[in-house]
Amino acid sequence: EPEVTQTPSHQVTQMGQEVILRCVPISNHLYFYWYRQILGQKVEFLVSFYNNEISEKSEIFDDQFSVERPDGSNFTLKIRSTKLEDSAMYFCASSSQGPEAFFGQGTRLTVV
Amino acid sequence: ELKVEQNPLFLSMQEGKNYTIYCNYSTTSDRLYWYRQDPGKSLESLFVLLSNGAVKQEGRLMASLDTKARLSTLHITAAVHDLSATYFCAGETHRDDKIIFGKGTRLHILP
Repeated sequence: EPEVTQTPSHQVTQMGQEVILRCVPISNHLYFYWYRQILGQKVEFLVSFYNNEISEKSEIFDDQFSVERPDGSNFTLKIRSTKLEDSAMYFCASSSQGPEAFFGQGTRLTVV
Repeated sequence: ELKVEQNPLFLSMQEGKNYTIYCNYSTTSDRLYWYRQDPGKSLESLFVLLSNGAVKQEGRLMASLDTKARLSTLHITAAVHDLSATYFCAGETHRDDKIIFGKGTRLHILP
């Protein structure tokens, strides 16, 4: 069964460093999303991406965040200068039409 | 903006008992989702409810949607320990290209 793949599964980084979280969406999907979940809390929307551009983003998705689909298969989330409060599980999701999406296994980001 | 409220947030129950998790949402939602999350794991889609009166069942779980009351329920019948997890309700509006999640209900089923 096709699935959304995320790498790495766990990333530890120092505060102020840049991180790139990688996702390989399901191959025929056109809509891509990033969500995050701070430990023990609810899942929060970050950004949606369609037709090579951001279609919607939340207040969390400030100038420190960016997304890219560099090669037609990967979908990346970059955090330029990580803060302690960026520590969370980051989920990538993709869908063929709209927000009903398949979620990846997540990347646990720990900022120290 | 759509807001999704779940209750209870934590539920501890005995095996064999029935219980219901409630999900209220604030504005018209085009679709209502239920997800399961095991600790440290991803989100597993359980149900997608599209219209008023929709009822879906999978094993011991049954989800329903009342769009007039802006309420969805997830009913657990004769709970078993394997159903212990966090259950999230989430809504979507056609205007917004995103899903809004509730805070989740942590279900703990005692053997």
